[in-house]
Amino acid sequence: EVQLLESGGGLVQPGGSLRLSCVASGITFRTSAMTWVRQPPGKGLEWVSAIGATGDNTYYADSLEGRFTISRANSYNTVYLQLNNLRAEDTAIYYCARLEKTYFDYWGRGTLVTVSS
Amino acid sequence: EIVLTQSPATLSLSPGERATLSCRASQDINIFLGWYQQRPGQAPRLLIFDASNRAPGVPARFSGSGSGTDFTLTISSLEPEDFAVYYCLQRSNRPLFTFGPGTKVDVK
Repeated sequence: EVQLLESGGGLVQPGGSLRLSCVASGITFRTSAMTWVRQPPGKGLEWVSAIGATGDNTYYADSLEGRFTISRANSYNTVYLQLNNLRAEDTAIYYCARLEKTYFDYWGRGTLVTVSS
Repeated sequence: EIVLTQSPATLSLSPGERATLSCRASQDINIFLGWYQQRPGQAPRLLIFDASNRAPGVPARFSGSGSGTDFTLTISSLEPEDFAVYYCLQRSNRPLFTFGPGTKVDVK
């Protein structure tokens, strides 16, 4: 059974930082591209970032303005998302998913990030 | 930048009825479009990839069609568990991925 388990969310003040983690099991992680998607409360889905299987290639939504960094540790079956200079509009559930060429086939349950003073 | 438009925003139907959801891209995206279902409180679930391919385990009442800029998700006969929000997602060069705003299918 495939499982993606996100962690690291929580309450953070504006301007603060968080590092999200997503641990995968049931897939061959070292050959899987991965992605992060977020969803503000009551709103739609927004693609955030993606990373290739080796970590050499990374991609970001333009709206992030360089504040987020995706990385991975294949020896730990884990993908990370570093969130810096957080704003109120970054408040959302953050999902990780496996990226299979043109689609996201397996999803985690998400971790909630709340940016508020 | 490629923008996806979904219509209608809300579709009110009864169980057993046919649902037809539309997704339009602002530029030609070939067949690189997928459909996702999201039930309340749950993560999204892949239904259709590359316009018309059903994901493993997805019931046959779900079908996708289209290419270029116009795409359709059809649910042939709505089951109670199908009342949810449906998103389309496109893959291109820049941005790499874009979601549509979603169509909510609710009970009439």
